[in-house]
Amino acid sequence: DTGVSQNPRHKITKRGQNVTFRCDPISEHNRLYWYRQTLGQGPEFLTYFQNEAQLEKSRLLSDRFSAERPKGSFSTLEIQRTEQGDSAMYLCASSLVRGQGEKLFFGSGTQLSVL
Amino acid sequence: RKEVEQDPGPFNVPEGATVAFNCTYSNSASQSFFWYRQDCRKEPKLLMSVYSSGNEDGRFTAQLNRASQYISLLIRDSKLSDSATYLCVVRGGYQKVTFGTGTKLQVIP
Repeated sequence: DTGVSQNPRHKITKRGQNVTFRCDPISEHNRLYWYRQTLGQGPEFLTYFQNEAQLEKSRLLSDRFSAERPKGSFSTLEIQRTEQGDSAMYLCASSLVRGQGEKLFFGSGTQLSVL
Repeated sequence: RKEVEQDPGPFNVPEGATVAFNCTYSNSASQSFFWYRQDCRKEPKLLMSVYSSGNEDGRFTAQLNRASQYISLLIRDSKLSDSATYLCVVRGGYQKVTFGTGTKLQVIP
C-alpha cells in the first residue's frame, strides 16, 4: 500500500496520559499536514511541515501538542497530559508541492478517545 | 471571521435534482481552490480542483469568483451515491491548506 498510513487507528487513554501518533506519508511527498476533526466539523488545521521544517502551528494549539518530522519522512504527533476535549479524529495528509499545485492525500486517521 | 465558510446544510434533494453549494474565503491572496468529498467516518478525498475559468468533471461543475471571494460546486442529476459531506478547501500561495466545515448532502430516492 503506497498511500498515507497512520498508526494506531484507535487510541483510548485516560485523562492526563501522554499519547503519540505516527504518520507515514506517500514517499515522494514533501509536505505533511496534521488536522483534527470532530463530528460535524471540517478538518481543523494543526500544523504542517515542508520536508523536515515545521512551517506553521495553529495558534489554537496548546503547548501540550508537539509534532516532529525529523528526517522529512514520517511524522509524529504527541499530546501530553491529555484532556477529554482532545477526543477527536487526528488526520494526517501529505502532498507534493509543485508551483501552485497541491493535492492532499489523507490517511485513515487516528481516533482518540480520552476517558 | 473564519478563513473558509460553508453552509453546513443538510441539503436534502431528490434523485436527479441539481444542487449547488457555495463557499466563501477571507484571504484575498488565496491561490488554489479545491472541493473534497468526505463520506461518513472516512477520510476526505479530492473531488476536483477549481480553476479560474471554471471547470467541469462529468456531472460536477466548479466555479471561482475571485472578486467576491467565493467558489461553488454544482452537481447535476444527483445520485444516491453523491450523499456525503462536501468540503471547500483553500490554499494561499505557498501557505497551508485550510478546510471549510463542510456541507452535508443527502440524496433521497
